[in-house]
Amino acid sequence: QVKLLQSGAALVKPGASVKMSCKASGYTFTDYWVSWVKQSHGKSLEWIGEIYPNSGATNFNEKFKGKATLTVDKSTSTAYMELSRLTSEDSAIYYCTREKITPFDYWGQGVMVTVSS
Amino acid sequence: DIQMTQSPSSMSASLGDRVTITCRASQDIGNYLSWFQQKPGKSPRRMIYGATNLAAGVPSRFSGSRSGSDYSLTISSLESEDMAIYYCLQSIQYPWTFGGGTKLELK
Repeated sequence: QVKLLQSGAALVKPGASVKMSCKASGYTFTDYWVSWVKQSHGKSLEWIGEIYPNSGATNFNEKFKGKATLTVDKSTSTAYMELSRLTSEDSAIYYCTREKITPFDYWGQGVMVTVSS
Repeated sequence: DIQMTQSPSSMSASLGDRVTITCRASQDIGNYLSWFQQKPGKSPRRMIYGATNLAAGVPSRFSGSRSGSDYSLTISSLESEDMAIYYCLQSIQYPWTFGGGTKLELK
């Protein structure tokens, strides 16, 4: 069965970076785009960007360019997102999800990132 | 960016009620509209894709429809397990954008 298993919660200091992972199983990793979605506390969902594991091609929400870096490791079927220069505005839950022809049929469990000194 | 305006932002309904949630797109999105359900502390779950297609495993009491730039999610007979926040998503133009959400509560 399809699973997207994300890394654990992170507590990071302002100005630092955080890198989270999303390990895919149960399907051919290189056939699907992996998207990342932000959900601030009590708020709606924001699409950050996506990466196509087969080629490394990416598409980003302009709002997150310079903030988020997306990479993959095809050998382990894992997608990564690194967030840089963290501020309190980056405290949120971050989800990975996949897309092929239709969007977001499976989601990871989410990673809670807390930015605090 | 395409704005997705959901209404209402919250509503309460009784078990067995017919419930409709609406999303309006600021530009033409064709049928590139999906609906998601999110329960507290859980990841979103896709309910509808392509405006009208029921996602795998979703009960048949859920349905999606379109009238021009208005998209609707309807629950034909509300059950207690349907209490959640519902979001729409457009996926025709980058950046993909979600609606603000509709919180569905039990009356």
